[in-house]
Order: sequence, then structure tokens, then C-alpha cells
Amino acid sequence: DVVMTQSPLSLPVTLGQPASISCRSSQSLVHSDGNTYLNWFQQRPGQSPRRLIYKVSNRDSGVPDRFSGSGSGTDFTLKISRVEAEDVGVYYCMQGTHWPPVTFGPGTKVDIK
Amino acid sequence: EVQLVQSGAEVKKPGESLKISCKGSGYSFTSYWIGWVRQMPGKGLEWMGIIYPGDSNTKYSPSFQGQVTISADKSISTAYLQWSSLKASDTAMYYCVRGASTNDYWGQGTLVTVSS
Repeated sequence: DVVMTQSPLSLPVTLGQPASISCRSSQSLVHSDGNTYLNWFQQRPGQSPRRLIYKVSNRDSGVPDRFSGSGSGTDFTLKISRVEAEDVGVYYCMQGTHWPPVTFGPGTKVDIK
Repeated sequence: EVQLVQSGAEVKKPGESLKISCKGSGYSFTSYWIGWVRQMPGKGLEWMGIIYPGDSNTKYSPSFQGQVTISADKSISTAYLQWSSLKASDTAMYYCVRGASTNDYWGQGTLVTVSS
């Protein structure tokens, strides 16, 4: 199984400041079809997860442009350019290249300092 | 509008059986995989398995193989997750999600509580 790791696991941030979350996979996430199936999800307190970013860097409809994804191979990053109060929650990366099983990172808890 | 609507919360005793559901609408139900994800209290997301309603092809995570059964009834656009004998450790929120590599739409979750 592909192991996903994230850092940091806890990220206190100041409103209006940037934030960055790293995600690493135990093997390359480049699929034989040429795509890299690395997605990012946000889970606000008491809510279902919501996909923010798919295939490394594509923002889902309705996702603010302060969220961006980047990376390749085994190293990926989610950035929030200016953190807002509504961004509090847990962020997960997920690989869908080598399945079954699909695997998630352990999650990064973002809260306000 | 794509929607996945899950059945309501359940409270069960150890050893009891349970089947929870996930009804899809707003898209071709038989053309997308439907997966199940577990979230234990205060913990992260764990992928359990997946089914393709078009042909009932089913795949499980090794961690959940033999512990649960995933099925679907394409005539009513509904996927299911079932247990034959629940344990206290099955207490969790369970989400259905559309897609295998995509996971683009999620259900609202079904809370399962197993307690004597």
C-alpha cells in the first residue's frame, strides 16, 4: 500500500498570514495514464470532507483562489495564501493512483493562533 | 446537482447486524465507483472499499476485507455497507464517496454507535 505522510500535523496560523502543508507518498503517484491522482480535502468541524484540489493543482468549483496545490512525483504541497477564519479544520491529502486501497494522509489540523 | 444521501444514525449492540445505505442522484449511478470511508471518533479517514454499480465489481482494503460487505442495487441507485456481527470498535462515522481516484462528492455521513 502507498503510505501518505503529512507535515506538520498541527498548524496554528495567524489570520491573514500564509500557511503551507506538505504531503509525501512512499512511491511516485504518476499513473500509467500520465495523470497524478493526488487530491486535497478540507474537513471543517462537524462536517463531511470536501474536496479542494484534484490531480495536484486543479481547484474544485467554488474553492477560493487563496488555495493552491503543487508538486510532483512523491512531494506535494497545499498552500493557503491568506488564512481566513473559515479555513479552520483538518486537511487531508489522498492518493488515488495506486488502488486498491486508496490511502489518505494522517491529516493536518489548522487552527487560529 | 450530484447528491449522495446516506441513511440515518444507528445505535446497535455488539453482535448485531447492520446495513447502511447511500443513495446517489443527479448523475449516472452505474457509471461511477462508490466508495466507503470510515472515521473513528477524533481520528482520520480510512478507505474501506469500493463498488462499481454498473457491474457490481467490488474491491476491499486489506484492513476491511472479511469484516464488511459492500453491495449496490442499481435499480434504486443505492449502495450499501453491511456488518454481520458488530463490535464496539465499529463505532465510527461512515461516509460514502463518489469515485475511486477522484472522490469528488461525499455523503453527509452515517454515525454508527455500538454499545452494550
